[in-house]
Amino acid sequence: ILNVEQSPQSLHVQEGDSTNFTCSFPSSNFYALHWYRWETAKSPEALFVMTLNGDEKKKGRISATLNTKEGYSYLYIKGSQPEDSATYLCAFSGSGGGADGLTFGKGTHLIIQP
Amino acid sequence: NAGVTQTPKFQVLKTGQSMTLQCAQDMNHEYMSWYRQDPGMGLRLIHYSVGAGITDQGEVPNGYNVSRSTTEDFPLRLLSAAPSQTSVYFCASSYASGGAEQYFGPGTRLTVT
Repeated sequence: ILNVEQSPQSLHVQEGDSTNFTCSFPSSNFYALHWYRWETAKSPEALFVMTLNGDEKKKGRISATLNTKEGYSYLYIKGSQPEDSATYLCAFSGSGGGADGLTFGKGTHLIIQP
Repeated sequence: NAGVTQTPKFQVLKTGQSMTLQCAQDMNHEYMSWYRQDPGMGLRLIHYSVGAGITDQGEVPNGYNVSRSTTEDFPLRLLSAAPSQTSVYFCASSYASGGAEQYFGPGTRLTVT
């Protein structure tokens, strides 16, 4: 069983502040790293899929970086808004085209306080 | 485009009963998978399929069966329900396996008494 760790487990942030959290994954046999946003009572929605060491992706105020050599990815949210409140999941896909599925972390639960 | 659909949304079963959770997608995705979500455990992969006629086991396959006779459908069967299978089940699909974003269905909340 692969170990995908996310930290912190939960985070309270004031509206307008920026924040970031971490996903750690195995540095060997890497194929892809996914980030998903999961709002309460909804389904997870994809934010980014990253495959190359040094990849940086951005969508609006949210961005992510990837370091496959040391096995970590950061997700950044700039100028947090109440609608950013959600659980953020990362998922690791191993080599072989990731044909054996994704291994998810337990998520970081983000609460934005007005 | 309906995306990924799942039925039913809610289900209560008695221990020992069997049932099938339905999953369908209209995006012509080859890759489909089933996850269960339990408090404090995150999403765990039950079974997956890389195309019609091909299925394989994930991390927690015991007590579940799948088949993939068409590209669109990927039903999950509970053979003899147990209280440990009380969970929320999500179906997902993508056009490729690990390197493509997954599209999730709305989930099925199952309670086994």
